[in-house]
Amino acid sequence: KQEVTQIPAALSVPEGENLVLNCSFTDSAIYNLQWFRQDPGKGLTSLLLIQSSQREQTSGRLNASLDKSSGRSTLYIAASQPGDSATYLCAVVSGNTPLVFGKGTRLSVIA
Amino acid sequence: NAGVTQTPKFQVLKTGQSMTLQCAQDMNHNSMYWYRQDPGMGLRLIYYSASEGTTDKGEVPNGYNVSRLNKREFSLRLESAAPSQTSVYFCASSADYRGGQPQHFGDGTRLSIL
Repeated sequence: KQEVTQIPAALSVPEGENLVLNCSFTDSAIYNLQWFRQDPGKGLTSLLLIQSSQREQTSGRLNASLDKSSGRSTLYIAASQPGDSATYLCAVVSGNTPLVFGKGTRLSVIA
Repeated sequence: NAGVTQTPKFQVLKTGQSMTLQCAQDMNHNSMYWYRQDPGMGLRLIYYSASEGTTDKGEVPNGYNVSRLNKREFSLRLESAAPSQTSVYFCASSADYRGGQPQHFGDGTRLSIL
């Protein structure tokens, strides 16, 4: 059974800092990995999707990397801003199972 | 640009009552999903529909039923609500269930069962 773990559970950083969020998964035979953002009281917004054949994806200040063999992904956020404050979730698709989610990292960026 | 629309947004039920959560998407997606989100448990898949006419159980299907009414609509029914079903319910859709394209989420239904 696929399990997804995100560390840390919560993170607080000053504005302008570069930061890394971590995601690990137990079954490396994945089709893809997705990073989502969730604001309080809202649904999830897809940030980046990395196919199993890819090593990284970039969107603006966000860069996600994938190391399938070690079962790890990182989300790098450059020059963090207070508007980046949210919960970030990692999820993978593997086998016949649609997305399996980690429990998320709650990020606070302090002005 | 509606995306995924869920109704209602909030609901309070008494134990034993039934209700149906509605979900509709306007992106011509083939696959649709129902999740529940609980503190400390993360998002868990209840049921999904890989394509119109098919439905499959997810991680936590007990106490729920689903209907893929047509390509646009996917409903979730609680036949006899229990306090353990108090949660935030999210509907999502995607072009395909293997995840080649991102899932799009609705804003959720907050359900309390007394």
